[in-house]
Amino acid sequence: EDQVTQSPEALRLQEGESSSLNCSYTVSGLRGLFWYRQDPGKGPEFLFTLYSAGEEKEKERLKATLTKKESFLHITAPKPEDSATYLCAVPTYGQNFVFGPGTRLSVLP
Amino acid sequence: EADIYQTPRYLVIGTGKKITLECSQTMGHDKMYWYQQDPGMELHLIHYSYGVNSTEKGDLSSESTVSRIRTEHFPLTLESARPSHTSQYLCASSEYGDGSPLHFGNGTRLTVT
Repeated sequence: EDQVTQSPEALRLQEGESSSLNCSYTVSGLRGLFWYRQDPGKGPEFLFTLYSAGEEKEKERLKATLTKKESFLHITAPKPEDSATYLCAVPTYGQNFVFGPGTRLSVLP
Repeated sequence: EADIYQTPRYLVIGTGKKITLECSQTMGHDKMYWYQQDPGMELHLIHYSYGVNSTEKGDLSSESTVSRIRTEHFPLTLESARPSHTSQYLCASSEYGDGSPLHFGNGTRLTVT
């Protein structure tokens, strides 16, 4: 069964304090790993897709990396506006995705 | 700015009522989806569509139905709302389907009393 787990469940950082979020996956035949950002009361917003181990993608203060078993979302010198829930997902059978439960990030000024 | 629109944003309704959640997208995407999300929990697929007149059930289709008469419109209907249907419902679309990113609306927060 395809599964995605994320850790930590919640993370509080001071502004400028870099850290990483983890997404571990178990899937038969990886066809991409997706990262989304979700603000309260809104739908998830697409950030990155990674397709193969060793691949990296960057956007502003965020960098996503991928290994054969997990992906990391590195946040460098975060700002309060980076506060959100970060979701990862992998495609599974049919048109479905398996989503992780998310990491709730709070960046304090 | 979202190109996929959901209405209403919030809905409080009594048990047994029939409700339709609306979803429209302006991107011309063939693939559309309905997900259910409870606070702090994973998204679960309720229904999806490959295109006009094509609909499939997901993991949580339960008592809901969908239709796809036009490419841009993918409404979700609950024939008889129950308190267990209280949740956030997210509509999404994708350009190519399998393996391409999902574009989400801002959701409908449904409360059934």
